[in-house]
Amino acid sequence: KQEVTQIPAALSVPEGENLVLNCSFTDSAIYNLQWFRQDPGKGLTSLLLIQSSQREQTSGRLNASLDKSSGRSTLYIAASQPGDSATYLCAVKNGANSKLTFGKGITLSVRP
Amino acid sequence: DTAVSQTPKYLVTQMGNDKSIKCEQNLGHDTMYWYKQDSKKFLKIMFSYNNKELIINETVPNRFSPKSPDKAHLNLHINSLELGDSAVYFCASSQHSQGGLLFGSGTQLSVL
Repeated sequence: KQEVTQIPAALSVPEGENLVLNCSFTDSAIYNLQWFRQDPGKGLTSLLLIQSSQREQTSGRLNASLDKSSGRSTLYIAASQPGDSATYLCAVKNGANSKLTFGKGITLSVRP
Repeated sequence: DTAVSQTPKYLVTQMGNDKSIKCEQNLGHDTMYWYKQDSKKFLKIMFSYNNKELIINETVPNRFSPKSPDKAHLNLHINSLELGDSAVYFCASSQHSQGGLLFGSGTQLSVL
C-alpha cells in the first residue's frame, strides 16, 4: 500500500528565500508524481507533473525532482514571495488506472 | 474555459436528506474521480470512472452512489446524509495516457 509523507507539516520563511519542500513515498514503482497547490477554501491547482521516466520538471520559479529509487521528490521554490503562501500537496500514482495517493501537505507561509 | 466544473459550491442540508453533486469536464478526458477532503484537510479517493466504467471504488458507504451518464460527467449522489459526511468533495479528471489530474474547485457539504 502506497504511503506518501510530507514533513514538516508547516513552514514559515522570510520573503526572498529559496526553499525546498520534501515528499517521500514507500512504493517506488510509481506511474507519475504530481505537485499541487491549495489556497485556503479553494481547490487544487496542479503545479508540476513528473512521469516515472523523468527526473525533473520546471515551471517558472518552481522545480520538482524525482528520485524513484530513494522514494523521494522535492519541490524547489526560488525567490519565495508572499503570494506563494499556500498548502503544497504531493501525490503519487502507481498505475495508469490507479488512484492518486496524497500526502497531508506542507502549509507554507512566506513573510513579507 | 476548459475546466472541471462542479456544482453546487456550497451545500447545507439536514441529516437524513438525499443530495447530489454534479461534475462536468470539457477537457476530453477519459477518466474522472471523486475525492473527499476531511476536516484535517486530508484528501482521499472515493471513486474513479474510466470511459463511464467504474474502476476504483474505495471503502465508501453504500449511501454514496456515483453516476456517469457519459465521459464528460460524473455525478455523486448521497442518500441519508449523516453528520460525518460533512467535508469538501472534489471532482477531478485526467487523460489515461498522460495521467495528470485536474481538479474542480470543490463542493463544501455541511450536514446539520
